[in-house]
Amino acid sequence: KNQVEQSPQSLIILEGKNCTLQCNYTVSPFSNLRWYKQDTGRGPVSLTIMTFSENTKSNGRYTATLDADTKQSSLHITASQLSDSASYICVVSDRGSTLGRLYFGRGTQLTVWP
Amino acid sequence: EADIYQTPRYLVIGTGKKITLECSQTMGHDKMYWYQQDPGMELHLIHYSYGVNSTEKGDLSSESTVSRIRTEHFPLTLESARPSHTSQYLCASSESASGSPFSTDTQYFGPGTRLTVL
Repeated sequence: KNQVEQSPQSLIILEGKNCTLQCNYTVSPFSNLRWYKQDTGRGPVSLTIMTFSENTKSNGRYTATLDADTKQSSLHITASQLSDSASYICVVSDRGSTLGRLYFGRGTQLTVWP
Repeated sequence: EADIYQTPRYLVIGTGKKITLECSQTMGHDKMYWYQQDPGMELHLIHYSYGVNSTEKGDLSSESTVSRIRTEHFPLTLESARPSHTSQYLCASSESASGSPFSTDTQYFGPGTRLTVL
């Protein structure tokens, strides 16, 4: 069964600190992996997208890594800000025969305290 | 900021009422999607559309229906709302790509409609 598991479920850090969120997946065959940020009461916004051949991709203070061999990805946030408080969702796409599908994780709820 | 809009943002309604959730995008995207999301849970695809007059059911069975008469508009309708329909409904769109509707497209999400059925 194709799945996307994220950890931790929730995380509290102080402003200015770094943190790393994890995503493990069993989706096969793999097409790409995305990280989305979802603010409370809003729709998700794409942060990064990585294909099989990409190991790392940055978007400002966000850096995503991908290990396609172990089927793991991480999202590292540097120098956290209060505005980083949100749910971070890992989404994996497969290369199905007729329809590529998206598999969503449940997200990591990050809270940044001043 | 993506140009995709959803109305209403919040809706509280009684059981048995008919409701329509509106979704519009001004980006000219061919593909549009409806997701259902409960607190702390993953998004579940309930409907999608390749383009005008094209609609398909998603992974999660839903009693709702959709229509796509215009490219920019993808409304979702519940003929008779029930408490089990209480959830957040997210609309998204993406540019057209050949083959799979999902594979490399980035989906742009609306702000969502939080529906409560009493």
